Amino acid sequence: NAGVTQTPKFQVLKTGQSMTLQCAQDMNHEYMSWYRQDPGMGLRLIHYSVGAGITDQGEVPNGYNVSRSTTEDFPLRLLSAAPSQTSVYFCASSRGGLAWTEQYFGPGTRLTVT
Amino acid sequence: EDQVTQSPEALRLQEGESSSLNCSYTVSGLRGLFWYRQDPGKGPEFLFTLYSAGEEKEKERLKATLTKKESFLHITAPKPEDSATYLCAVQDGQNFVFGPGTRLSVLP
Repeated sequence: NAGVTQTPKFQVLKTGQSMTLQCAQDMNHEYMSWYRQDPGMGLRLIHYSVGAGITDQGEVPNGYNVSRSTTEDFPLRLLSAAPSQTSVYFCASSRGGLAWTEQYFGPGTRLTVT
Repeated sequence: EDQVTQSPEALRLQEGESSSLNCSYTVSGLRGLFWYRQDPGKGPEFLFTLYSAGEEKEKERLKATLTKKESFLHITAPKPEDSATYLCAVQDGQNFVFGPGTRLSVLP
């Protein structure tokens, strides 16, 4: 199993540009989520999904969109990048459902918005 | 509002010098408390899940405990390879709230 994969590893955007961060998992996990990690602030939940076709907002959803058309994929879209979105982004998945388990994290995408 | 704090922010230990990391939380409906380890430039790696006060879990030199207000991660006789940032998180419904982490350095 590859686990949770994320692409790209690094990205530089100009203010106003759009892009999609890709996330995929091969563990048939129901729950997937996106976090951003900033120095001194810990991981903050952006959006999450409890299954294909179902998404919801986390703590910091503004400026980000998500969709979940398949169990495996959970892309994160930045519609109009802003310097405040400079961060490291992590995707995670877990079994979810009635038996909550640990989350498995991807390697992260380091995004810089100039 | 759910909150998670961790102390200390950073900790330097000599190899073999045992210590504890603290995670304090306020959450309306705790479904689980999680400990993760994060190495520089990598995603967090799961260590433990604790579900109820009084529960303890162990793995090699690490032992996690849980009370109604806080959790401790005890590190016994640490080695340099234990150097990392240790994160705790609480689950409230479908939401996960992470603390800022404790950066541990173990010197040989």
